Amino acid sequence: GDSVTQMEGPVTLSEEAFLTINCTYTATGYPSLFWYVQYPGEGLQLLLKATKADDKGSNKGFEATYRKETTSFHLEKGSVQVSDSAVYFCALRGSGANSKLTFGKGITLSVRP
Amino acid sequence: DVKVTQSSRYLVKRTGEKVFLECVQDMDHENMFWYRQDPGLGLRLIYFSYDVKMKEKGDIPEGYSVSREKKERFSLILESASTNQTSMYLCASSLISGHRGQYFGPGTRLTVT
Repeated sequence: GDSVTQMEGPVTLSEEAFLTINCTYTATGYPSLFWYVQYPGEGLQLLLKATKADDKGSNKGFEATYRKETTSFHLEKGSVQVSDSAVYFCALRGSGANSKLTFGKGITLSVRP
Repeated sequence: DVKVTQSSRYLVKRTGEKVFLECVQDMDHENMFWYRQDPGLGLRLIYFSYDVKMKEKGDIPEGYSVSREKKERFSLILESASTNQTSMYLCASSLISGHRGQYFGPGTRLTVT
């Protein structure tokens, strides 16, 4: 079945540091890929998405590129802020009808001033 | 803006009680989902529904049931709450295709004592 693997956390960075959060997946066909963010005390929000190979999703300074050859969708940001402190989830939607999302376990990012 | 609301942010119930968690979405989405979120386990799908009166089991349906009598409302029912059902419960909705991702409510933190 489909699966998503995220790097182990938590991650602690200083403000303005470069961020990479790794995500790899296993799926048949051509899944859509997503990054969600969960701020403290809130539900998940869609951060960005990509629906086909080589697509780049971007939002709020975050980027991720759909790499089919390496089955990866790593999240990057050039300069993190304290307000980026949150839990980040990588997810995929399979290519069948009514497909569910399969989530990674999430990783907690803490950004210190 | 898509709005998914959940009936309670915090709930405390006793073992053996019947518990209802309500979720309402205002975007005319066909699909609705219930997840639980636990530290180290990420999000796990309990049940989902792709139409009124339709439901399908997710990955961990045991001990839960659902009801979808109207398109905008999806209820999660714990027939006899147990302490191992203490968790954060998240509701989500999406278009039938799911290609735009899922929209999440703020979550209900349920404690069963």
